[in-house]
Amino acid sequence: GAVVSQHPSRVICKSGTSVKIECRSLDFQATTMFWYRQFPKQSLMLMATSNEGSKATYEQGVEKDKFLINHASLTLSTLTVTSAHPEDSSFYICSAKPIGLAGVDQETQYFGPGTRLLVL
Amino acid sequence: DQQVKQNSPSLSVQEGRISILNCDYTNSMFDYFLWYKKYPAEGPTFLISISSIKDKNEDGRFTVFLNKSAKHLSLHIVPSQPGDSAVYFCAASEGNYGQNFVFGPGTRLSVLP
Repeated sequence: GAVVSQHPSRVICKSGTSVKIECRSLDFQATTMFWYRQFPKQSLMLMATSNEGSKATYEQGVEKDKFLINHASLTLSTLTVTSAHPEDSSFYICSAKPIGLAGVDQETQYFGPGTRLLVL
Repeated sequence: DQQVKQNSPSLSVQEGRISILNCDYTNSMFDYFLWYKKYPAEGPTFLISISSIKDKNEDGRFTVFLNKSAKHLSLHIVPSQPGDSAVYFCAASEGNYGQNFVFGPGTRLSVLP
């Protein structure tokens, strides 16, 4: 149980196009999902916190008009990279905080497998 | 089902004692493992890693042990300090080429003064 999927797993696009990445919790619900970007040395930068039914909370330095987040249901959050440029090429990973699951800590997050974006 | 499991959602340890965080995995193709540390409102930060060719890697107060036959790894923190209080995530991948890591759900460590 407690699986999070991301689609697509990898995408190559031309500069200037928009790319949508989906994050789904498959067998649990989540009012809060997080979007991260992986940087060199493998640490993950928190980009934004996605809240079901309300606007996402973006971290400082993350352009909300460029990285559009929609959390339309308790099992789905989407990240759209608008007008992608080569510097947006990275590994994007989401995670979901479960609600209604027994035996989990308040800080438990289930991560998706990530999406590798390459912008040419 | 989850490929990387951390069966203890939380752990409390007295300052100065040893903290042991455990991680189990199911995919025998995983050969590179990492531990991340996460503070609130931040992303997970890389802490220490181990390749499957080793069974131990040490970095200061942090030591990671890998038992491939049991598909189990653990992170030891000795001595534990209050600043170590954070959420620790275990992650695994096939190869260490900076690509797709599979994360566990995390263990929240509280080090009590």
